Amino acid sequence: GQQVMQIPQYQHVQEGEDFTTYCNSSTTLSNIQWYKQRPGGHPVFLIQLVKSGEVKKQKRLTFQFGEAKKNSSLHITATQTTDVGTYFCAGNPGYSTLTFGKGTMLLVSP
Amino acid sequence: DAGVIQSPRHEVTEMGQEVTLRCKPISGHDYLFWYRQTMMRGLELLIYFNNNVPIDDSGMPEDRFSAKMPNASFSTLKIQPSEPRDSAVYFCATSGTGNQPQHFGDGTRLSIL
Repeated sequence: GQQVMQIPQYQHVQEGEDFTTYCNSSTTLSNIQWYKQRPGGHPVFLIQLVKSGEVKKQKRLTFQFGEAKKNSSLHITATQTTDVGTYFCAGNPGYSTLTFGKGTMLLVSP
Repeated sequence: DAGVIQSPRHEVTEMGQEVTLRCKPISGHDYLFWYRQTMMRGLELLIYFNNNVPIDDSGMPEDRFSAKMPNASFSTLKIQPSEPRDSAVYFCATSGTGNQPQHFGDGTRLSIL
């Protein structure tokens, strides 16, 4: 079955540093979605990427979808303590439902 | 708009007891998903429904787990008998179509003693 791998599992940064999490799928995806889960909360949808090579920005967050539509990344510029949480990618192969990666837990120290 | 509503928010019970988790989806959403989240295994899809019909239950760990969706407004996930290894956060999520973003409920934090 489809697998979605995320790295790193965990990252601890100082406030102001950048952060990147990477997502790789074993199969070509129809689209990829990113979610954020705050500690003690539930996953919340951030964005969906559909096109090969697509880049989308949300303030300090930049999302990319690879040319082969099998990988994606989320980059946060100048992290803030409010960025703390676990970031999940979720791949959609188009013939089934989403497969979530295991997530990258981000800790930001002030 | 009301989001996905799950109940109870917390449940603590002794092993061997029956546990029933409930979910009210967002009105008009045709897909409903049940997930289990643990530190070790991450977010696991247990089962999902489309228009109240179970589509894929391959993630249901064993026969002790069952899920139903008797109508478009309500779904249950039942564990009978419960075991300590079932302790986890259980999320219900819904979406309009299979490709659209999923909206998660607040989850049920289940502890089996």
